[in-house]
Amino acid sequence: QVQLQESGPGLVKPSQTLSLTCTVSGGSISSKNYYWTWMRQPAGKALQWIGRIYSSGTTNYNPSLESRVSISMDTSKNQFSLQLNSVTAADTAVYYCVRDAYQTSSLDSWGQGTLVTVSS
Amino acid sequence: DIQMTQSPSNLSASVGDRVTITCRASQTLSIWLAWYQQKAGKAPKLLIYKASILESGVPSRFSGSGSGTQFTLTISSLQPDDVATYYCQQYNVYPLTFGGGTKVQIK
Repeated sequence: QVQLQESGPGLVKPSQTLSLTCTVSGGSISSKNYYWTWMRQPAGKALQWIGRIYSSGTTNYNPSLESRVSISMDTSKNQFSLQLNSVTAADTAVYYCVRDAYQTSSLDSWGQGTLVTVSS
Repeated sequence: DIQMTQSPSNLSASVGDRVTITCRASQTLSIWLAWYQQKAGKAPKLLIYKASILESGVPSRFSGSGSGTQFTLTISSLQPDDVATYYCQQYNVYPLTFGGGTKVQIK
């Protein structure tokens, strides 16, 4: 059974870069069957799709964040990463890494989530 | 972006009640809709995909229906373990978008 685990700083200063890594176990991020996705959820609010990466390295981003976001992968470590630049308080949220099973059109495995607070 | 509207936003029902949550999309989705359950402090959990297919391991009291722009999630007999917020999510067009959530509580 695949497991995903987010890691990274819980506090980021305004205007700096938020960096998170997702470590995948029990499955390979090189699999052709899945996209690897980042989501976020501000406190008390709905979920927002940030973007995804495929095993080929192809990425897709939410247009609302595209100018500030980058997703990459390291197949040797079975990890994928999120970078979000020029953060503000509005980027404070729980960030989730998620497996996107596009063949069933569903987000079928989620990390536990990590809270990132943007504050000076 | 496709807007997803859920109703009601809050719901209180008794154990054993039949509960229905509605999700409406601003554009047609065909059947590309999923439902998730999120318990307090936890990550969302997939319940249903392609509008009506139950994810493996999910209790059969959960069911989904609909197509196009209108969808429903039904809990046939509400249980205490079902206390959670439920989200619909469209998978027809990127960016993927979610409804605002329906918080289900026990009366």
